[in-house]
Amino acid sequence: EVQLVESGGGLVQPGGSLRLSCAASGFTFSSCNMNWVRQAPGKGLEWLSYVSSSSSIIHYADSVKGRFTISRNNVKDSLYLQMNSLRDEDTAVYYCVTSSGYAAAFDIWGQGTMVTVSS
Amino acid sequence: DVVMTQSPLSLPVTLGQPASISCRSSQSLVYSDGNTYLNWFQQRPGQSPRRLIYRVSNRDSGVPDRFSGSGSGTDFTLKISRVEAEDVGVYYCMQATHWPPTFGQGTKLEIK
Repeated sequence: EVQLVESGGGLVQPGGSLRLSCAASGFTFSSCNMNWVRQAPGKGLEWLSYVSSSSSIIHYADSVKGRFTISRNNVKDSLYLQMNSLRDEDTAVYYCVTSSGYAAAFDIWGQGTMVTVSS
Repeated sequence: DVVMTQSPLSLPVTLGQPASISCRSSQSLVYSDGNTYLNWFQQRPGQSPRRLIYRVSNRDSGVPDRFSGSGSGTDFTLKISRVEAEDVGVYYCMQATHWPPTFGQGTKLEIK
């Protein structure tokens, strides 16, 4: 069974840092492009970042560029999001999402991990 | 960025009746390879989003055939031929032709 399990969320003060992880199983992670997408409470979906299967191509949304860093470890079948200089508006559920075969797929979503930025 | 505009934002539907959601993009979603990267997602209450339709009209495995997608260029539609109780939730269109990928605001489908 294809599965994505996010972890690492929690409560952090403004200006703080968090590292999210996404553990993949049930598919060949090293062949899969990956994304992070977030959803603020009661709001819609916002794409944040993309990394290609080999990490050769990385993209960020303007809202997180310079503050967030996406990375992956194909040996550990894991995706990461290092989040620095967190702001109140970063409060959201963070999802890892596969893009199998091509960058635009967005085919499999994890269950999400909640990040709350508050003093 | 490409703006995706969905309508309606709220969609009350009687069980067994059809439903239709419109999604319009601020520019053409036809990519240079000839494909149109327009996806539809369903998010049931308390759940993660789930992809229903990819590249405009291709249904994902396990998606009931009462769901269909159509459209071209800048105008796209998700149709449900006969709404069932399990279809309650929010539906999002998303374009990934142009970076960054962008989502519509979401359409909340509820049962009348």
